[in-house]
Amino acid sequence: LAKTTQPISMDSYEGQEVNITCSHNNIATNDYITWYQQFPSQGPRFIIQGYKTKVTNEVASLFIPADRKSSTLSLPRVSLSDTAVYYCLVGDMRNSGGYQKVTFGTGTKLQVIP
Amino acid sequence: DVKVTQSSRYLVKRTGEKVFLECVQDMDHENMFWYRQDPGLGLRLIYFSYDVKMKEKGDIPEGYSVSREKKERFSLILESASTNQTSMYLCASMGSGTEAFFGQGTRLTVV
Repeated sequence: LAKTTQPISMDSYEGQEVNITCSHNNIATNDYITWYQQFPSQGPRFIIQGYKTKVTNEVASLFIPADRKSSTLSLPRVSLSDTAVYYCLVGDMRNSGGYQKVTFGTGTKLQVIP
Repeated sequence: DVKVTQSSRYLVKRTGEKVFLECVQDMDHENMFWYRQDPGLGLRLIYFSYDVKMKEKGDIPEGYSVSREKKERFSLILESASTNQTSMYLCASMGSGTEAFFGQGTRLTVV
């Protein structure tokens, strides 16, 4: 898995859009970019995944530039319940006959302020 | 819904004890993982398994071993527990898709 770099922490006020950027300069051709969210005392849960350009679901958007060396998770109009740690993972997660070593970094701790 | 169940939510063991942490998943996933999580260090991969009886070391395997005798069950073993193994332990499983599913975690305290 490619090494990723994220900010350690971010603060945001309720109702604002939050963008968390992840750098992954060594991303490989077959790698996907996946984001997880973790609340205190719980295991991480999948938020969104993408390969290139933009992906949007009911929770977030993921923006990936053409060179794919970075990605940005965008959370629209955050609320207090979005306070969590967000992890960026890069790798070929598909089961292609081999095995996947899924590793997490330290993540970005997002604190939403009233 | 995929369910990953860890046998204990909280566990207190004594130094030198042999400790078993059990994880069961109900979705026939090939891949299973054990992580530990400590403040400021994020999630660190201990071991993973991609098939029955198959295992691979993660980033911090020292002091741990694993067992995967059945597809649905992946056990983490602390051969001789030490205080520096006090941590939150998280199990995850992943199939042919791209999403890893996590259990609720086991908070282990070694005294």
